[in-house]
Amino acid sequence: NAGVTQTPKFQVLKTGQSMTLQCAQDMNHEYMSWYRQDPGMGLRLIHYSVGAGITDQGEVPNGYNVSRSTTEDFPLRLLSAAPSQTSVYFCASSPYPPRYSGANVLTFGAGSRLTVL
Amino acid sequence: EDQVTQSPEALRLQEGESSSLNCSYTVSGLRGLFWYRQDPGKGPEFLFTLYSAGEEKEKERLKATLTKKESFLHITAPKPEDSATYLCALTGTASKLTFGTGTRLQVTL
Repeated sequence: NAGVTQTPKFQVLKTGQSMTLQCAQDMNHEYMSWYRQDPGMGLRLIHYSVGAGITDQGEVPNGYNVSRSTTEDFPLRLLSAAPSQTSVYFCASSPYPPRYSGANVLTFGAGSRLTVL
Repeated sequence: EDQVTQSPEALRLQEGESSSLNCSYTVSGLRGLFWYRQDPGKGPEFLFTLYSAGEEKEKERLKATLTKKESFLHITAPKPEDSATYLCALTGTASKLTFGTGTRLQVTL
């Protein structure tokens, strides 16, 4: 099925460990993004990419790295996990970045639930 | 700074009991207001986009409306399968997508 695929679905880390959350889309979307969702807070943008080789920071980028070597893939790296990074992470894509069209609709993956002990 | 406030935080309805969810917003130059549905353990799924005050869109038992300060998601004769969290989001001239915290809807038999 076409869409956004995230792996893993669940992960438990110890403080200081590193890991990568994978995201792949098969819709040829130029725009890809990572959000985190925490109780009582709206989805918050971590990093985004407007095309292969181009990435930029969102509103909560600290502690995370991204890269975009292909149109399809947009992995999110946690460099040294902290308990404050316990959250549900969503990857989302759209044909174009929000600034190009107010009509832009995001397609979300199913999420990755991360617990940092 | 763009802001989105959704109310109520949670809503419990009986099957067939119609109601409305509210999304109040402040934005510099609205470019699009979005409604998403999120089921437990899943990512948000797109429902509607509204662009200007007075606009309405419908899908099955759901109707979204927009004024200059608020959007409403009206649910007519809801069924248990309508139980989900409904998210409101918008994009303004800053081209940043801002999400509300959602309304958690439970529809019981």
